[in-house]
Amino acid sequence: EIVLTQSPATLSLSPGERATLSCRASQSVSSYLAWYQQKPGQAPRLLIYDASNRATGIPARFSGSGSGTDFTLTISSLEPEDFAVYYCQQRSHWPPFTFGPGTKVDIK
Amino acid sequence: EVQLVESGGGLVQPGGSLRLSCAASGFTFNIYSVNWVRQAPGKGLEWVSYISSSGTTIYYAGSVKGRFTISRDNAKNSLFLQMNSLRVEDTAVYYCARDEAVAGLFDNWGQGTLVTVSS
Repeated sequence: EIVLTQSPATLSLSPGERATLSCRASQSVSSYLAWYQQKPGQAPRLLIYDASNRATGIPARFSGSGSGTDFTLTISSLEPEDFAVYYCQQRSHWPPFTFGPGTKVDIK
Repeated sequence: EVQLVESGGGLVQPGGSLRLSCAASGFTFNIYSVNWVRQAPGKGLEWVSYISSSGTTIYYAGSVKGRFTISRDNAKNSLFLQMNSLRVEDTAVYYCARDEAVAGLFDNWGQGTLVTVSS
């Protein structure tokens, strides 16, 4: 089973700042990595798929990069609605599909 | 508009059973594979089970294998999860999640249904 680790666990930033979130896989997942955003009381929402492709309707301030074992989600300039928990997830080696433990982006 | 609406959650005692449903609308259900994903209170996301578009291919997480059964009724645009021998650690919000063009890319999610296993 592929284990995903995310860092940091919590990121405290102000609106307008740049957020950089990391996801590392225990073995190569090629580019088969996705990022999801989850707000309190809501279902997760797909942001990025295949490491760097924005899902439908996702603003351009969200970008993803990486391949193999190291991936990054960048939010270029935080909007108030971006404060949430972000999960990475791999679909390279399955079952099972696995998620990282999440990074919480909160308001500084 | 794609919609996935879960139902069937509730309070059940350890060792009990529950059947979850997910009603799909706004898309051609029978050409998409679907999954159940759960989230324990205050915790992260855990994939539970996958079923292919035709229902012929099924996978489970090790934590539920032998206790949970996924199924679908394409004529009724519905997904199900039969949960038996429930444990306290199965307490979670259960989401149904549609796969986009490929397995494991969860492009649409329901709002979730809460299952609480407690005596």
